[in-house]
Amino acid sequence: KAGVTQTPRYLIKTRGQQVTLSCSPISGHRSVSWYQQTPGQGLQFLFEYFSETQRNKGNFPGRFSGRQFSNSRSEMNVSTLELGDSALYLCASSPRYDSSYNSPLHFGNGTRLTVT
Amino acid sequence: DAKTTQPTSMDCAEGRAANLPCNHSTISGNEYVYWYRQIHSQGPQYIIHGLKNNETNEMASLIITEDRKSSTLILPHATLRDTAVYYCIVRVGIMNRDDKIIFGKGTRLHILP
Repeated sequence: KAGVTQTPRYLIKTRGQQVTLSCSPISGHRSVSWYQQTPGQGLQFLFEYFSETQRNKGNFPGRFSGRQFSNSRSEMNVSTLELGDSALYLCASSPRYDSSYNSPLHFGNGTRLTVT
Repeated sequence: DAKTTQPTSMDCAEGRAANLPCNHSTISGNEYVYWYRQIHSQGPQYIIHGLKNNETNEMASLIITEDRKSSTLILPHATLRDTAVYYCIVRVGIMNRDDKIIFGKGTRLHILP
């Protein structure tokens, strides 16, 4: 089974620009969550999507947004980029059964975003 | 804030068992303990999880104390490839809108040849 795929792997943008990152979950997984990882703050939860709906959100400004498509693929968008947005952005998928789940998260290898 | 506390770093000799502790004193009855590890430049990799019983799989063993306030991840025969940052997190079985998945800073495990 193919793992979680994130594209692009590396990205360089300048301040003020916007960026869109893509995540394809494992086939059959319906939940996708996004994380920002920086050396100073570690792994921070951005948001989680299930069935095209945002279910949970971390403490990030509104410049960070996302969406999920009917095939469970997800995109994350950051507008008006700031230098501090330079980070590794990770996506994870899990099956997320309807009534309960204790399934592990399966992570992609991330998109490394550098803002100059 | 993370719901777990882990040592910042640990060393272990190659071939020996690596025992990584995690404190989760505020864990709720419906929260599972999960362990992940992250090797440089890769995404975190799932290792093992459990609720109250000890668990074992092909990668590791998870020992959870009876009061569930702490746990230990055991890598039985550490190799150099086990050098990574290990994260312990707690996570409910049924997510609601207020639940957030919180990773702490993890433990940087160095396997020494």
